[in-house]
Amino acid sequence: QVHLVQSGAEVKKPGASVKVSCKASGYTFTSNAMHWVRQAPGQSLEWMGWINAGNGNTRYSQKFQGRVTITRDTTASTAYMELSSLRSEDTAVYYCAREAGYYDYVWGTYPGGMDVWGQGTTVTVSS
Amino acid sequence: QSALTQPASVSGSPGQSITISCTGTSSDVGYYNYVSWYQQHPGKAPKLLIYEVRNRPSGVPDRFSGSKSANTASLTISGLQAEDEADYYCSSYAGSSTYVFATGTKVTVL
Repeated sequence: QVHLVQSGAEVKKPGASVKVSCKASGYTFTSNAMHWVRQAPGQSLEWMGWINAGNGNTRYSQKFQGRVTITRDTTASTAYMELSSLRSEDTAVYYCAREAGYYDYVWGTYPGGMDVWGQGTTVTVSS
Repeated sequence: QSALTQPASVSGSPGQSITISCTGTSSDVGYYNYVSWYQQHPGKAPKLLIYEVRNRPSGVPDRFSGSKSANTASLTISGLQAEDEADYYCSSYAGSSTYVFATGTKVTVL
């Protein structure tokens, strides 16, 4: 059974950083990319970035460029998302999600179908 | 990058068919065949229903089907069931390593 288990809820002050982990099991971690998506209260989903768990290559949404860092530890089958310079608007549930498809060398991207999701990590930014 | 547009709500009676539209632009939905659909029940993580416009992951009932015409993608739910009451989101690759999600549609089963 494929599972993604995320770390627990976090409360941070404005200006701080948060690092969320996502531990994979039930499949070969390095075979798939991993996306990070967030959802503010009552809002839609927002893509943040992905990491190729095999070679560590990353792509980030321009909106978060410079503030987000996605890494992975292949020995622990775990992906991480760190978001810095937190502000109140970053209060959201953060999800990791496995990419279902293969890398498209024509477009230089993944198809974006996310077939397995973590349970979500609530990050609250408040002074 | 602007969000894709979906109707805020769609409703139907059990057994009926409903269709949710997802309108983008010629730079995202209209250009790439990388449209996905997700179902999300309250307090839960999203679930993939359709990927690459019309493909269903294993385990997703064939009551769910996807299609695309020009800049608009569609999700059709046939034989609507009570458990289909949820929020639905489409997403599309939008170039430059960016993915955009839609505003979401609340489906109500009457």
